[in-house]
Amino acid sequence: DQQVKQNSPSLSVQEGRISILNCDYTNSMFDYFLWYKKYPAEGPTFLISISSIKDKNEDGRFTVFLNKSAKHLSLHIVPSQPGDSAVYFCAVLYNNNDMRFGAGTRLTVKP
Amino acid sequence: NAGVTQTPKFQVLKTGQSMTLQCAQDMNHNSMYWYRQDPGMGLRLIYYSASEGTTDKGEVPNGYNVSRLNKREFSLRLESAAPSQTSVYFCASSEGDEQFFGPGTRLTVL
Repeated sequence: DQQVKQNSPSLSVQEGRISILNCDYTNSMFDYFLWYKKYPAEGPTFLISISSIKDKNEDGRFTVFLNKSAKHLSLHIVPSQPGDSAVYFCAVLYNNNDMRFGAGTRLTVKP
Repeated sequence: NAGVTQTPKFQVLKTGQSMTLQCAQDMNHNSMYWYRQDPGMGLRLIYYSASEGTTDKGEVPNGYNVSRLNKREFSLRLESAAPSQTSVYFCASSEGDEQFFGPGTRLTVL
């Protein structure tokens, strides 16, 4: 049973516009959420995280929003740049060391 | 700092063969992890080691064994490879909530 779902396998946006990547989770007990970015032939790299005590966390062009009642989080990238083209994974930290990932969304930012 | 390194980068095995995937980190992290990534799926945790001398099963441990050789190194062993184990394998390490990943090993089992 997938506990973390990213329902959009791909997203294409124009350079300079906003990219919004979405993620849903099933367990209301999850309390720490992360986004990872992955380029081809490389391992994922950490992007941004949010604890369940917050509803928003911002780091430069990247903002993560958490809606606990809807069990939904989203990653906003503004403005989007061609170098942001990658696969983005949503993840939840489950039992301290156990991290569960969504299937990923491939973002393409067109110049 | 090299971060997390994995060897080999690519490997092709025949069904029933065995092999060990190696992972090392130079960040002095206590926790280390092995994941597999299959097409259309996220990374799934195979095993993890919260500290030197301890290992625990993750979401998909069947068919694998691990060894935490020392604080730096965490190996993953396939005793009798099966085509279902064709995947990209990632090792990671952490000291807090953020995990640092290696570049991956692409394994094909024929």
